[in-house]
Amino acid sequence: EPEVTQTPSHQVTQMGQEVILRCVPISNHLYFYWYRQILGQKVEFLVSFYNNEISEKSEIFDDQFSVERPDGSNFTLKIRSTKLEDSAMYFCASSRARGPYEQYFGPGTRLTVT
Amino acid sequence: SQELEQSPQSLIVQEGKNLTINCTSSKTLYGLYWYKQKYGEGLIFLMMLQKGGEEKSHEKITAKLDEKKQQSSLHITASQPSHAGIYLCGADIENNFNKFYFGSGTKLNVKP
Repeated sequence: EPEVTQTPSHQVTQMGQEVILRCVPISNHLYFYWYRQILGQKVEFLVSFYNNEISEKSEIFDDQFSVERPDGSNFTLKIRSTKLEDSAMYFCASSRARGPYEQYFGPGTRLTVT
Repeated sequence: SQELEQSPQSLIVQEGKNLTINCTSSKTLYGLYWYKQKYGEGLIFLMMLQKGGEEKSHEKITAKLDEKKQQSSLHITASQPSHAGIYLCGADIENNFNKFYFGSGTKLNVKP
């Protein structure tokens, strides 16, 4: 069964460093999302991406964040200068198209900023 | 602000018992998703509801969306230890399927 994959599963970085989190969505999916979940808190929407551009972003998704689909398979989230409060689980999700379609989530990348 | 409220926050049931988890919004739920999450892991898609009054079932889990599309319930019949985990509701409340909100989750423990 097709699934969303994410790498790495765990990333430890120092404050101020840049990190890139990678996701491979399900191959025939066209709509992509990033979410984050701070330990013990809600899953929070970061950004949605369709047709090579951002569809919507939350207040959390400030200038430190960027997303890219560099090729036909990867979808990346970059944090330019990490802060302690960026420590969280980051989930990538994809859906077949825009609209009321199932969103499938990856297993997540646990980001720890020290 | 709490776009989606889930109740209860946690639940401990004896194996074999039925249980219900609720997800409530002050705004219309245009697409309502139920997920299960094991601690520290990803979200497993369970069901999606869109139409008022819609009901879907998979194995022993039934989800409903009320007619007004502001509340959904997830019902588990004859619970088993394998049902344990965190159940999350997520929804589009802006009718654009660009942005989704999640409830805070219901932690379910099933005692054998």
